[in-house]
Amino acid sequence: QQQVKQSPQSLIVQKGGISIINCAYENTAFDYFPWYQQFPGKGPALLIAIRPDVSEKKEGRFTISFNKSAKQFSLHIMDSQPGDSATYFCAASAGGTSYGKLTFGQGTILTVHP
Amino acid sequence: GAVVSQHPSRVICKSGTSVKIECRSLDFQATTMFWYRQFPKQSLMLMATSNEGSKATYEQGVEKDKFLINHASLTLSTLTVTSAHPEDSSFYICSARGVRDRGGEQYFGPGTRFTVT
Repeated sequence: QQQVKQSPQSLIVQKGGISIINCAYENTAFDYFPWYQQFPGKGPALLIAIRPDVSEKKEGRFTISFNKSAKQFSLHIMDSQPGDSATYFCAASAGGTSYGKLTFGQGTILTVHP
Repeated sequence: GAVVSQHPSRVICKSGTSVKIECRSLDFQATTMFWYRQFPKQSLMLMATSNEGSKATYEQGVEKDKFLINHASLTLSTLTVTSAHPEDSSFYICSARGVRDRGGEQYFGPGTRFTVT
């Protein structure tokens, strides 16, 4: 029930295209859903995050769409650039005794061709 | 803001030795720090959660006597890998959550590449 399932495992997009990565969860106690970007040999960097009280959040070229009833959320990268090529992780956390503990998805390797 | 550093960035040691990795929050106070390990092409696996001034909470399957965690101040947590073996080789990453964070936000360090020969 703690799992977060992420798809696809890898994604190839042309420059200027839209990259879409999806995540699904089971634990209804999750109330915080961040996306992280990780370059090889580096730590993850927080990209954007959403809470269940909104269905969409946009920051620049990055948008999270959240569907509470379906227990799914997705990351959209508009106008994808070669510099966006990295591994993307979705994650989720809950309050209570697990406060702040992140459960990560399996990761998506994004390649943006010039 | 929200910068987390790790030291060293890379370490190579012989089997049987113990190595300490430091995690520092540089511009904020971190009530909670988390330690993860990541194998090549895999996701991050939480090892333990440490709160300042109290004992760390380890995830199931993580040997607390092998991975010693200390969170002595609001800006520093350390992970000591004791009696290292080649299977301990991994990418170790810490993260920190600030005192003022509304909840959930974690900021990650750059990671430590740990290799046991």
